[in-house]
Amino acid sequence: GALVYQYPRRTICKSGTSMRMECQAVGFQATSVAWYRQSPQKTFELIALSTVNSAIKYEQNFTQEKFPISHPNLSFSSMTVLNAYLEDRGLYLCGARETGGGTLYFGEGSRLIVV
Amino acid sequence: QQNVQQSPESLIVPEGARTSLNCTFSDSASQYFWWYRQHSGKAPKALMSIFSNGEKEEGRFTIHLNKASLHFSLHIRDSQPSDSALYLCAVSHRGSALGRLHFGAGTQLIVIP
Repeated sequence: GALVYQYPRRTICKSGTSMRMECQAVGFQATSVAWYRQSPQKTFELIALSTVNSAIKYEQNFTQEKFPISHPNLSFSSMTVLNAYLEDRGLYLCGARETGGGTLYFGEGSRLIVV
Repeated sequence: QQNVQQSPESLIVPEGARTSLNCTFSDSASQYFWWYRQHSGKAPKALMSIFSNGEKEEGRFTIHLNKASLHFSLHIRDSQPSDSALYLCAVSHRGSALGRLHFGAGTQLIVIP
């Protein structure tokens, strides 16, 4: 079956520091990877969509300068939250799909706590 | 920018009840509609999808889509305690790997035994 693993599961970082999170697809080829943030305010926001052989597309209010993403192969993606502040708190979810696939397979998320 | 809204925000029902969850979207060009379910502390998992107007039933679950009214819904028949979870609706223009899937904030469902 298709599985997605995310790590770390939880990070506590000081305000102004950065956090890198990783996403590993197992059992399928992750042609596209979408990063989301599920916030304490109960929103579920799309940050960016990365598709192999295409430019990474960031949603409004999210930038590459703040959330750089790497998608070097069909099984791995990473995203960094640079200079994290309180408003960046939340559960960061990675969802991956294979070519022609509609279903997005999610990991359990990397929770960012900023103190 | 797609705006996806869900209602109600939370719902408590007794076991055996019929439950209805609602989702509205803003972009009339949307083509693909999904329901995901997220149990506490777990990854969201795709539950059902629909791509054309009408209804689709899978077991106790039914999706109803009305594109003209920018609305789709999930109905659960004979709700079970194991159905307790956060239900997320999602919408995209395309079903391919290039499609950006936008989610609502979710409806928290609690089914009481």
